[in-house]
Amino acid sequence: GQSLEQPSEVTAVEGAIVQINCTYQTSGFYGLSWYQQHDGGAPTFLSYNGLDGLEETGRFSSFLSRSDSYGYLLLQELQMKDSASYFCAVRPRNDYKLSFGAGTTVTVRA
Amino acid sequence: DTGVSQDPRHKITKRGQNVTFRCDPISEHNRLYWYRQTLGQGPEFLTYFQNEAQLEKSRLLSDRFSAERPKGSFSTLEIQRTEQGDSAMYLCASSPSTDTQYFGPGTRLTVL
Repeated sequence: GQSLEQPSEVTAVEGAIVQINCTYQTSGFYGLSWYQQHDGGAPTFLSYNGLDGLEETGRFSSFLSRSDSYGYLLLQELQMKDSASYFCAVRPRNDYKLSFGAGTTVTVRA
Repeated sequence: DTGVSQDPRHKITKRGQNVTFRCDPISEHNRLYWYRQTLGQGPEFLTYFQNEAQLEKSRLLSDRFSAERPKGSFSTLEIQRTEQGDSAMYLCASSPSTDTQYFGPGTRLTVL
């Protein structure tokens, strides 16, 4: 099975940098994805790591290390609109669905 | 393209009633998924369609739940004899043949 662990809450001020870690226990998967969900909204795709290393998309970056069973999402130059829940997810090999972590609630303060 | 749409957005029902939700995926996305999400948790997989074929069902999907995608386009999820434990957000997602899934706004079900 798949088990993804991420911190439940993170609080930071505007302009700061936040790193959300995701550790996982799974026998094999295609890649690690990150989704953002605002309160009452739908999850929206942020980033995908199919290979080890860093992927950068504007203020957001994501990293994967399969040998360490670890990944992270880096939020830079935090803005108030970044206050949301962030989920890591994997699609296991020979499977179609995504398995999600429980999510990290990021609160950005002025 | 307007993205994935779901109807209704909110549904309040009494215990024991049947409910049906609809999902319209992004056109030409052959993969369609249903997930359930409760407060403070990530989405949990319910079922998956590739075109009109239902290829996978979660053990979470009891025999009170049924899903269809009759023409390989829109899908419906029906819950029979609803229970209070069915109260949740029901999310639909679609994808082309990649790992990126595009979620709809969800249907929030409240069972009284």
